[in-house]
Amino acid sequence: ETGVTQTPRHLVMGMTNKKSLKCEQHLGHNAMYWYKQSAKKPLELMFVYSLEERVENNSVPSRFSPECPNSSHLFLHLHTLQPEDSALYLCASSHTIGLSEAFFGQGTRLTVV
Amino acid sequence: DQQVKQNSPSLSVQEGRISILNCDYTNSMFDYFLWYKKYPAEGPTFLISISSIKDKNEDGRFTVFLNKSAKHLSLHIVPSQPGDSAVYFCAASARAGNNRKLIWGLGTSLAVNP
Repeated sequence: ETGVTQTPRHLVMGMTNKKSLKCEQHLGHNAMYWYKQSAKKPLELMFVYSLEERVENNSVPSRFSPECPNSSHLFLHLHTLQPEDSALYLCASSHTIGLSEAFFGQGTRLTVV
Repeated sequence: DQQVKQNSPSLSVQEGRISILNCDYTNSMFDYFLWYKKYPAEGPTFLISISSIKDKNEDGRFTVFLNKSAKHLSLHIVPSQPGDSAVYFCAASARAGNNRKLIWGLGTSLAVNP
């Protein structure tokens, strides 16, 4: 248990569905991240929030929409995804961006059918 | 273009021996480096880090060495244990405006055989 909780752990959705991934941390961290891990690719940073403000959006398609209502919660809203979006989606938090260790959740294994 | 390269996708080591995982980088602006370990179906967990002002950092069985001139770092695990079998990711951080960027390698899968 790292202090970062992601739900659900597994998700299967159709291409026309709308779903949301949830991430929660109570570590007092100021930065939260969404990562995507596909097979045989590096961890891809999708979004970074610092103090609830989005500071980085790495050319992620608009079918992925993040939301950070407060410093403890981060959501990833999914809409009209493609099968190639199937991957492990990891949430992480850290005290500061890039200079302190990040704590990762266990991830949501997403399958788009 | 991969700025952080872990050229060995896998490594197999005998229990009790040394495991050496390598990482090369191309961006001289990287000034902070981290190693993470990942078990299947779990998120990565932080192992050890090193700032560019140092060339070595040690924590128990884990030591990270940094060679700035060669843009190379390595993680040494001594002695290796079967529980160390996991995927190891190298990550490098650089300042980007008012924030920082963190770039990840592809990972090296380590198998420690009893």
